Amino acid sequence: ILNVEQSPQSLHVQEGDSTNFTCSFPSSNFYALHWYRWETAKSPEALFVMTLNGDEKKKGRISATLNTKEGYSYLYIKGSQPEDSATYLCAFMVAYGNKLVFGAGTILRVKS
Amino acid sequence: DVKVTQSSRYLVKRTGEKVFLECVQDMDHENMFWYRQDPGLGLRLIYFSYDVKMKEKGDIPEGYSVSREKKERFSLILESASTNQTSMYLCASSSRNLRDKETQYFGPGTRLLVL
Repeated sequence: ILNVEQSPQSLHVQEGDSTNFTCSFPSSNFYALHWYRWETAKSPEALFVMTLNGDEKKKGRISATLNTKEGYSYLYIKGSQPEDSATYLCAFMVAYGNKLVFGAGTILRVKS
Repeated sequence: DVKVTQSSRYLVKRTGEKVFLECVQDMDHENMFWYRQDPGLGLRLIYFSYDVKMKEKGDIPEGYSVSREKKERFSLILESASTNQTSMYLCASSSRNLRDKETQYFGPGTRLLVL
């Protein structure tokens, strides 16, 4: 059974703080690593899809890095805002299938 | 704008009832998925379908079945609902277009309570 682990489980930060979370995944049979943001009462939406070792992606104040050899990805949020409050999910896709295996998520709460 | 819709946001059913959860996508996607989400466990895959009338078991298929008669519609069926099927159910779809890298697009979820 493939295991994807996310840490921390939850995080409370002040507005303006920068923060980061970790996603660990199996380093074999890698195809892609997805990050999703899930705000309360909304649908999860894709942030990044990363496929190459060393990939770095950026969307506004949010960025992500990927290390497929050691099996981890970091998500960074610079200058957190209350609207960044959400659950951040990472998901691993294996090379031989089209399924995603999700981590349990990191819940971020940003206080103003 | 991509759209995945689910038939209900909230549903309350009794133990033993047959329950249908419907999902419709308007993006002409080949792949469709059903997940359940429980606190601390993340999204767990119940079933998925990569084409009309095709289905494959996910990680937790027991107690569920699915139907995909049309490309845009994927139904999840609880043959005889039980209290341990109380959960949030999410539907998703994705394209096999490599440029899209199989990004999944999610519906808003159905929160099911089985009494």
